[in-house]
Amino acid sequence: KAGVTQTPRYLIKTRGQQVTLSCSPISGHRSVSWYQQTPGQGLQFLFEYFSETQRNKGNFPGRFSGRQFSNSRSEMNVSTLELGDSALYLCASSLASESPLHFGNGTRLTVT
Amino acid sequence: AQSVTQLGSHVSVSEGALVLLRCNYSSSVPPYLFWYVQYPNQGLQLLLKYTTGATLVKGINGFEAEFKKSETSFHLTKPSAHMSDAAEYFCAVSDRGFKTIFGAGTRLFVKA
Repeated sequence: KAGVTQTPRYLIKTRGQQVTLSCSPISGHRSVSWYQQTPGQGLQFLFEYFSETQRNKGNFPGRFSGRQFSNSRSEMNVSTLELGDSALYLCASSLASESPLHFGNGTRLTVT
Repeated sequence: AQSVTQLGSHVSVSEGALVLLRCNYSSSVPPYLFWYVQYPNQGLQLLLKYTTGATLVKGINGFEAEFKKSETSFHLTKPSAHMSDAAEYFCAVSDRGFKTIFGAGTRLFVKA
């Protein structure tokens, strides 16, 4: 069974630009969560989607948004990029809320 | 609100020595608890999980953890460290609200 796939692996963007990150969950997993990982803040929860509905959201500004498609694939978008948005963005899928998360290898975003 | 505290951002042990990584949690509901490991430039991998039942949980690579409700702890142990155990370890709690909260992580160093 294929794991969680995130694309692209690396991105370099300029302040003010926007970016879209993609995540394909494990087949059969309908829950997709997104996390931001930085050395200073650790793993911060962004949002969780299930069957195209956002069920929970972390404390991030509205510049961070996401969506989920009918095939469970998910995208997250960051608009008006800031230097502080530089981070590893991790996507994880799971069968249910009590099930473990299965992580992709992440997208490393660098904002210059 | 759920939270996770990992004591010690860095732990160093000699090869063959006991590994003990500490985790305390707070949760308003019976928690689901997890330990994950992260190797450089990769996502997180599940080591073990506690949901219900037996409080001593065995995971992969010889790791185990014990859920102690009275102490709100879920410490991770391994009797004998191996060089390949060097990585960052994260304790996590699921609040059943479609969100998993992670501790700040503990980086394990293994000396030859």
